[in-house]
Amino acid sequence: QKEVEQNSGPLSVPEGAIASLNCTYSDRGSQSFFWYRQYSGKSPELIMSIYSNGDKEDGRFTAQLNKASQYVSLLIRDSQPSDSATYLCAVNEETSGSRLTFGEGTQLTVNP
Amino acid sequence: DADVTQTPRNRITKTGKRIMLECSQTKGHDRMYWYRQDPGLGLRLIYYSFDVKDINKGEISDGYSVSRQAQAKFSLSLESAIPNQTALYFCATSDFPHGYTFGSGTRLTVV
Repeated sequence: QKEVEQNSGPLSVPEGAIASLNCTYSDRGSQSFFWYRQYSGKSPELIMSIYSNGDKEDGRFTAQLNKASQYVSLLIRDSQPSDSATYLCAVNEETSGSRLTFGEGTQLTVNP
Repeated sequence: DADVTQTPRNRITKTGKRIMLECSQTKGHDRMYWYRQDPGLGLRLIYYSFDVKDINKGEISDGYSVSRQAQAKFSLSLESAIPNQTALYFCATSDFPHGYTFGSGTRLTVV
């Protein structure tokens, strides 16, 4: 079983729709959770971090964390073509110090 | 200037050659990391360092070595490059518990 799993892609949504990206993790002691956006050939860029259960909103992005279910998600409202990228979920597992474990990513395409 | 700078941006090298990838940062972070990214395999940790005297192997350290010359500098070496080391390499820094800041990457091709 992979330590951090993301919903398989690619995911395609029309412009203006809500894109939903999901991630599950195996280490119950995980404390910190991150979403990165990566454009093709570019480096990952941190877009959201979440540390406690519930929702965290930043502009069009909402991160949701449910530690009991070991689940973290990212919602993108009013999706734009510029949101087309690969989204990486990253988890700081309890036994790993400050190291992050990354999922393989979900490729999102927003169609005009 | 970028917070995390990697050099070179692109490199083509021959099998058996020694090559060094360099990373420098201006963020003042103690923690630095080297990852490689391959299609379908995601980001995999090669080495990490929590300070100048603390170097640790990641999940795929074989064939690689590192040097932490200063708080701001962390270099990755391939002692004898082989074709399956062709990948996109990223350096990252962190201010735990916050997330990483990545460099712009080095695209390495071993022929």
